[in-house]
Amino acid sequence: AQSVTQLDSHVSVSEGTPVLLRCNYSSSYSPSLFWYVQHPNKGLQLLLKYTSAATLVKGINGFEAEFKKSETSFHLTKPSAHMSDAAEYFCVVTPLKGGSYIPTFGRGTSLIVHP
Amino acid sequence: NAGVMQNPRHLVRRRGQEARLRCSPMKGHSHVYWYRQLPEEGLKFMVYLQKENIIDESGMPKERFSAEFPKEGPSILRIQQVVRGDSAAYFCASSPLPGQEAEQYFGPGTRLTVT
Repeated sequence: AQSVTQLDSHVSVSEGTPVLLRCNYSSSYSPSLFWYVQHPNKGLQLLLKYTSAATLVKGINGFEAEFKKSETSFHLTKPSAHMSDAAEYFCVVTPLKGGSYIPTFGRGTSLIVHP
Repeated sequence: NAGVMQNPRHLVRRRGQEARLRCSPMKGHSHVYWYRQLPEEGLKFMVYLQKENIIDESGMPKERFSAEFPKEGPSILRIQQVVRGDSAAYFCASSPLPGQEAEQYFGPGTRLTVT
């Protein structure tokens, strides 16, 4: 069985300060891991994904995430927050499940950016 | 290349009516996933389809819900005899390939309100 835990339901930062959104996973198999962003009343957009290549993954809009197997973590970071980063962020794990790769989504972290 | 399209964007139904949600995947994508999102929660997987086949429906309620992806035309998620608890945002995603590493492309969602 697999699961994803996003440790914070809300994260609040000031514009220009670093962002850290935490994600821990459990999986019986080597997972693929994704971060998606959802702006209000919109669909989800892929930020980045880890697929067993480099453990530090760079994504769009200056975001990156590091896969740490020993800690079963895949935290999302950005050096400097922008107002446009305010959105909901979802960590997703996709392990092998009986032959079909069904993603499991975390509950989401709402990023609030103050001017 | 147009993205994933969903219609209608908003749907209001009275209890007991039927709701039909449509999803047109990206051109060249033959894998479609349906998800449901309740307020303050992540996406919950419902069903995974390829053209003319249901691959995994482990997330679908046993009654009143059905899905299809015909050879021609969009994928349809059908909810019969809707109840208030069906009110949610329903997202469709498509992928060109199956597999653990496959990125999914999301539509903007259909927001169903049952009155």
